[in-house]
Amino acid sequence: EAQVTQNPRYLITVTGKKLTVTCSQNMNHEYMSWYRQDPGLGLRQIYYSMNVEVTDKGDVPEGYKVSRKEKRNFPLILESPSPNQTSLYFCASSPASQGWGNIQYFGAGTRLSVL
Amino acid sequence: GNSVTQMEGPVTLSEEAFLTINCTYTATGYPSLFWYVQYPGEGLQLLLKATKADDKGSNKGFEATYRKETTSFHLEKGSVQVSDSAVYFCALSDSRTNAGKSTFGDGTTLTVKP
Repeated sequence: EAQVTQNPRYLITVTGKKLTVTCSQNMNHEYMSWYRQDPGLGLRQIYYSMNVEVTDKGDVPEGYKVSRKEKRNFPLILESPSPNQTSLYFCASSPASQGWGNIQYFGAGTRLSVL
Repeated sequence: GNSVTQMEGPVTLSEEAFLTINCTYTATGYPSLFWYVQYPGEGLQLLLKATKADDKGSNKGFEATYRKETTSFHLEKGSVQVSDSAVYFCALSDSRTNAGKSTFGDGTTLTVKP
């Protein structure tokens, strides 16, 4: 089954404790992104990657890191989480081959609470 | 930069009512436009898209037309069902200038009552 898999689905942590949220897709997509969803602010792009070893900042990259060492994986790293990073996070992937209008496929989300 | 503005919610309708959710955008290039839907506890999934001016996207009874002159992409459905209750997001991306970058609206929560 074609899917984007995020882990963990739920995470409670404390300020300053490094964490990684994993994202994996099995559709051989070139593009991958991370978003955060907050009430009243909608979905905001954190980082995106257009291929292996190619990453770029989205609209809210501060406090986050990413890497793209393999095509299928795109982990989101919080080196020193803070309470303002409490949010619902989504990973998404899309193929480069669709030309204009690439459809994104989303994971089920990771709900993170930083105490 | 690019931006998407959606009508404020939440929206509550009775079953079989007509639905319109407004979406306007600003973009420097020639964006593609999308509507995504998020059901409770799930990730977003594509509802429909349009890639150029005057294109109409449609799916599951929902429609939206890409209006370049008014920079709009309003979502409509003639007769909503309880199962349409969800959060709807308008989004854009510009494959011509930066295919990886996407901009989403704030989302509009729709509740349909039987």
